[in-house]
Amino acid sequence: GDSVTQMEGPVTLSEEAFLTINCTYTATGYPSLFWYVQYPGEGLQLLLKATKADDKGSNKGFEATYRKETTSFHLEKGSVQVSDSAVYFCALTVTHSSGGYNKLIFGAGTRLAVHP
Amino acid sequence: GAGVSQSPRYKVAKRGQDVALRCDPISGHVSLFWYQQALGQGPEFLTYFQNEAQLDKSGLPSDRFFAERPEGSVSTLKIQRTQQEDSAVYLCASSSIAGGYNEQFFGPGTRLTVL
Repeated sequence: GDSVTQMEGPVTLSEEAFLTINCTYTATGYPSLFWYVQYPGEGLQLLLKATKADDKGSNKGFEATYRKETTSFHLEKGSVQVSDSAVYFCALTVTHSSGGYNKLIFGAGTRLAVHP
Repeated sequence: GAGVSQSPRYKVAKRGQDVALRCDPISGHVSLFWYQQALGQGPEFLTYFQNEAQLDKSGLPSDRFFAERPEGSVSTLKIQRTQQEDSAVYLCASSSIAGGYNEQFFGPGTRLTVL
C-alpha cells in the first residue's frame, strides 16, 4: 500500500545550521508530495508541495525536490532559526486513474528543536 | 476567523462514555476529511465527505465510530462506548473542491483522553 517513511527525531540544531529531514515514499498511481508543519499549540499547516517528478517545492526558505528515481522528497533549509522549531510531516496523496478523491497519507513526523 | 474550527479542543471521557466532536469547515468548502493522530504518530485518515455524502469511511477503526455531515457544512464525529485506545487527537480538514484535489486546511484538533 501507499506509505511514507521519514527520519526519526528529535533533530536538534543550533541556529543558522543546515537542516535535512529525509522522507521516502511508496506509492501506486501518481503521487503528489507535501511537507506539513505543526508549530506548538497550532494546527497542521502546508509548508510546501510538489505534484510531479523533478518539481521543487519551496516556502519560507525550505525546499524539497520530488525525486521519482529514489522515491524521495527530502526537506532542506540552509539556515534554521529558533522559530522553525516544530514537528514536520511528510505526506502524499495519490490520484488513481479511476479518480475519486485525495486522502493524505502521513509519515510519523520529525520534531525539530533549534537552539540559539 | 475564516479557518477550520473544532470543538471542544480538549475532551476527557470515562471509558464507556459516548463523545461527539464537532468540525466547522471553511465556509463553502465541499470536501471534509477526518483524521486520527495518535501520540507521536502522523495523522491517519478516518473518513471523507463530499458535501453531505460520506464517500469513504474505510478508515473508521470500528463500528463504534460514526460521522455525519447532514447539511454539507458542519460535521460531527461520534464515538460510542469509548475505549482507552481511542485516546488521540482528532483532526478535521476541509478543501474547496470535490475530491480534495487542492490544499486541505486543517483545524486545531480535538484532543480526546479516555480514562
